[in-house]
Amino acid sequence: DGGITQSPKYLFRKEGQNVTLSCEQNLNHDAMYWYRQDPGQGLRLIYYSQIVNDFQKGDIAEGYSVSREKKESFPLTVTSAQKNPTAFYLCASTSGRGRGNQPQHFGDGTRLSIL
Amino acid sequence: GQQLNQSPQSMFIQEGEDVSMNCTSSSIFNTWLWYKQDPGEGPVLLIALYKAGELTSNGRLTAQFGITRKDSFLNISASIPSDVGIYFCAGQLDTGNQFYFGTGTSLTVIP
Repeated sequence: DGGITQSPKYLFRKEGQNVTLSCEQNLNHDAMYWYRQDPGQGLRLIYYSQIVNDFQKGDIAEGYSVSREKKESFPLTVTSAQKNPTAFYLCASTSGRGRGNQPQHFGDGTRLSIL
Repeated sequence: GQQLNQSPQSMFIQEGEDVSMNCTSSSIFNTWLWYKQDPGEGPVLLIALYKAGELTSNGRLTAQFGITRKDSFLNISASIPSDVGIYFCAGQLDTGNQFYFGTGTSLTVIP
């Protein structure tokens, strides 16, 4: 089945560590997105990528990094510079480089917690 | 970033009742999307709207793209317990590639 796979489902990080969240899609979508969701809040955009080897910062990019070496994959690294990383992270993708009347589809999320 | 005002923030209704929620923005959008999110899961797309005035149904759900292009509405008829969850609106500007999300409406259906 086509879809977006995020892994792991739960992730724990020690203070000062970097961690990488995986997002893979087999929908042949051009654009991919990372969002952060905090309890009782909407989704805030961290980074997005319209094509391979290109990505743009969203509203809350500080403390995060991404790469887009393959169309199917858009991993997110939460660096030690992110002082409040505990949140639910959602990956999404859409066709048409993110424009042209195409909806976003989401993975099931990764919950990151600090030990 | 763009702010989407979604209301109400939460709703507690009896099973069988109809539900209405809406989303407004200060900017003109070319796309409005409605999602449902269950706890610990990713949002699932319910309805996508691409034209001002468009009215689209998906089973008991109906959504409309406002004529001004600055708002959208979602109605759920004859609610059932599995409708429980958080409903999000999202919109996209004419320019740019980002989607902007409302803060969600938490729906509780009392059997």
